[in-house]
Amino acid sequence: AQSVTQPDIHITVSEGASLELRCNYSYGATPYLFWYVQSPGQGLQLLLKYFSGDTLVQGIKGFEAEFKRSQSSFNLRKPSVHWSDAAEYFCAVVLNPFSGGYNKLIFGAGTRLAVHP
Amino acid sequence: DVKVTQSSRYLVKRTGEKVFLECVQDMDHENMFWYRQDPGLGLRLIYFSYDVKMKEKGDIPEGYSVSREKKERFSLILESASTNQTSMYLCASSPPTSGSADTQYFGPGTRLTVL
Repeated sequence: AQSVTQPDIHITVSEGASLELRCNYSYGATPYLFWYVQSPGQGLQLLLKYFSGDTLVQGIKGFEAEFKRSQSSFNLRKPSVHWSDAAEYFCAVVLNPFSGGYNKLIFGAGTRLAVHP
Repeated sequence: DVKVTQSSRYLVKRTGEKVFLECVQDMDHENMFWYRQDPGLGLRLIYFSYDVKMKEKGDIPEGYSVSREKKERFSLILESASTNQTSMYLCASSPPTSGSADTQYFGPGTRLTVL
């Protein structure tokens, strides 16, 4: 089955430390890839997206993500985490984006990030 | 900025009640979506609409219906609320799909509790 996997349910890092959140998808071709963040009590906000081209994508709030076709991965990174980054992070994909019509967005289960002072 | 608003942030209803969740977007988007979010399951699509009066079932439509009478408004209806519909409900909108994926813009969510 086509799916999106975020292997880490919870991650805790110290403020100022680097961060990497993992995302893997299972699909034969290259999908469109997204990372969203959900702060407590809030809706989802788009951090970044990858459609094509440069496999290293820059997003808002100092985040970046790298698409690795060989590993079917789209991991999110930040070099230095701030306390305000504590939130839940969702990876999402659109499979078969050139099929025409509506393309369903499939979400991973999310990774909850805690930041220690 | 795209703005998607939802009528309530928190809602408490009793089993068997008819529940309406309202969503309004101000960017003239064709596509609108309703998801429910549960811990460990991520977001699951309930229904979506790609035009006024048009709707399509998502992954978990059972127990829900939708209405889209105006482009900017998309309503989710629980005909007879049950306790297993206690969840966070998120509305989203996006511009029309044109051979490329489009970013979805989300509202703040409605946390519904059914007693």
